[in-house]
Amino acid sequence: ETGVTQTPRHLVMGMTNKKSLKCEQHLGHNAMYWYKQSAKKPLELMFVYNFKEQTENNSVPSRFSPECPNSSHLFLHLHTLQPEDSALYLCASSPGRSNTEAFFGQGTRLTVV
Amino acid sequence: AQSVTQLDSHVSVSEGTPVLLRCNYSSSYSPSLFWYVQHPNKGLQLLLKYTSAATLVKGINGFEAEFKKSETSFHLTKPSAHMSDAAEYFCVVSPYGGGADGLTFGKGTHLIIQP
Repeated sequence: ETGVTQTPRHLVMGMTNKKSLKCEQHLGHNAMYWYKQSAKKPLELMFVYNFKEQTENNSVPSRFSPECPNSSHLFLHLHTLQPEDSALYLCASSPGRSNTEAFFGQGTRLTVV
Repeated sequence: AQSVTQLDSHVSVSEGTPVLLRCNYSSSYSPSLFWYVQHPNKGLQLLLKYTSAATLVKGINGFEAEFKKSETSFHLTKPSAHMSDAAEYFCVVSPYGGGADGLTFGKGTHLIIQP
């Protein structure tokens, strides 16, 4: 266990659905991240939050909407997704933006049908 | 700019034999380098990290890696493979001597352990 918990572990959704992924850490970290892991491709950084402020958005389509209500929780709201959005979505946290390594959750396996 | 190249997409070794997973990097700054492991249907777990201290870094589960600036390499080794080592391994670079912000991942090396 890394101390970063993601729910749900698996999610199947239609292209017209709205769903949310949740990430929670109680490590006292100030930075949280969303990554996308697709088959045959390197991990892609999607969003970075530092002290609850979004500091990076790597040209992610607007159908992905992050929310960070406090430094322990991070959400990824999904709507009108495409089949190519099917992937493993990983949440991570670290003490700060420029401080030590990231701790990863186990991921949410998302399938868009 | 920074990048990571994992030279082998798949590596197969017999149980009890040495493991070598190769990684080359490029970075405009003095980087921090990491190796992460991902077992099937699991998240990523940190194996070891280099942050400008000792060039030979020891990690968990008997793994170690050596930072060679002249070769821009950070290869991962283990003297004797175990069946439980079968997993996907990622070499990762981070700028400015440390930090999870802007991690750049390699494409991964799938390690197969033959009985």
